[in-house]
Amino acid sequence: GDSVTQMEGPVTLSEEAFLTINCTYTATGYPSLFWYVQYPGEGLQLLLKATKADDKGSNKGFEATYRKETTSFHLEKGSVQVSDSAVYFCALSALGGSYIPTFGRGTSLIVHP
Amino acid sequence: NAGVTQTPKFRILKIGQSMTLQCTQDMNHNYMYWYRQDPGMGLKLIYYSVGAGITDKGEVPNGYNVSRSTTEDFPLRLELAAPSQTSVYFCASSYEGTSTDTQYFGPGTRLTVL
Repeated sequence: GDSVTQMEGPVTLSEEAFLTINCTYTATGYPSLFWYVQYPGEGLQLLLKATKADDKGSNKGFEATYRKETTSFHLEKGSVQVSDSAVYFCALSALGGSYIPTFGRGTSLIVHP
Repeated sequence: NAGVTQTPKFRILKIGQSMTLQCTQDMNHNYMYWYRQDPGMGLKLIYYSVGAGITDKGEVPNGYNVSRSTTEDFPLRLELAAPSQTSVYFCASSYEGTSTDTQYFGPGTRLTVL
């Protein structure tokens, strides 16, 4: 079945550091890929997505590129802020009408001033 | 638009008690979902619905029931609460349920069963 593997957290960084959170997936067919973010005490919200190979999703300074050859969708940001502290979830949704996304376990990011 | 709203935000139950978690969306979405989030375990799907009157089980349905009488509402019923149901519960919705569709989440209900 479909699955998503994320790097274990927490990831602890100083403000203005470079961020990478790794995400790899296993899926039949050609899924869409998502990053969701969960700020403390809140529900998940979409951060960015990519729907086909080589697409780059971007939002709020975050980027991720859909790499079919390595089945990866790593999240990056060039300079993190304290306000980026949150839990980040990688997810996939398989092409063909599947309406149940598969989520990774989440990676906690802690940014210190 | 309020988006997806959930009530209550917090609840403490005694073992064996029952309760209903409320979920409402005002985006006219056809698809709705209930997840539970346990620490470090990500999200697990409990039940989902593809439209009014249609529901189906997810990965962890035991101990829960749902109904979908309207497009807007998707309540989750806990019968005979057990400590294993201590978790944070999220309701979500999406418009088309296709592979490119975004899910919209409510703020969650934190439930403790003692």
